[in-house]
Amino acid sequence: QVTLKESGPGILQPSQTLSLTCSFSGFSLSTSGICVSWIRQPSGKGLEWLATICWEDSKGYNPSLKNRLTISKDTSNNQAFLKITSVDTADTAIYYCARIPGLDRYGGPLYFDYWGQGVMVTVSS
Amino acid sequence: DIQMTQSPASLSASLGETVTIECRASEDIYNGLAWYQQKPGKSPQLLIYNANSLHTGVPSRFSGSGSGTQYSLKINSLQSEDVASYFCQQYYDYPFTFGSGTKLEIK
Repeated sequence: QVTLKESGPGILQPSQTLSLTCSFSGFSLSTSGICVSWIRQPSGKGLEWLATICWEDSKGYNPSLKNRLTISKDTSNNQAFLKITSVDTADTAIYYCARIPGLDRYGGPLYFDYWGQGVMVTVSS
Repeated sequence: DIQMTQSPASLSASLGETVTIECRASEDIYNGLAWYQQKPGKSPQLLIYNANSLHTGVPSRFSGSGSGTQYSLKINSLQSEDVASYFCQQYYDYPFTFGSGTKLEIK
């Protein structure tokens, strides 16, 4: 059974660094083709993909936030992480992590087949 | 970036009806398209991948079709539990992008 669960600080102030953790079970980030992504959703709004990390440590970032994002993983402990620097109120959102189950025939990551429950992050002074 | 234009933004239909949601990509995405269902207060759940493949456990009244830049999600025999928002997403190329969503209500 695949499960993912996000954790984070809840609330932080503008200009601080947001650190998020995705703890998962039912799969391994050392398995060929497996990736984990971060996606966020401001309240009542749409979904925005942020970053992806794959089993062999390749990474992809959304260019709109690239300079502020760092994704990493701890394969031994079944966790993935996301850091966002210099947050402001626009970063207030629910943050999800999700699994990508494999790659397409060209080696590109596929869809998100399992999602965590999400963690609410509020940026406020 | 590949833009995903989803329509309609909202939809109201009666139980038992068939509804269709459309998604148009700004360029050919070669069937690299998924549909997700998000119920109020919950995380998105995968319905369809590769434009027309049903994810494990998803009822067969959901189906996907399309190719190139035009894709659609059809829900046959609408049930009360289908009240949700629906999002399309392209994974053909980075950055992955989502449609703006369709909110489905029961009339």
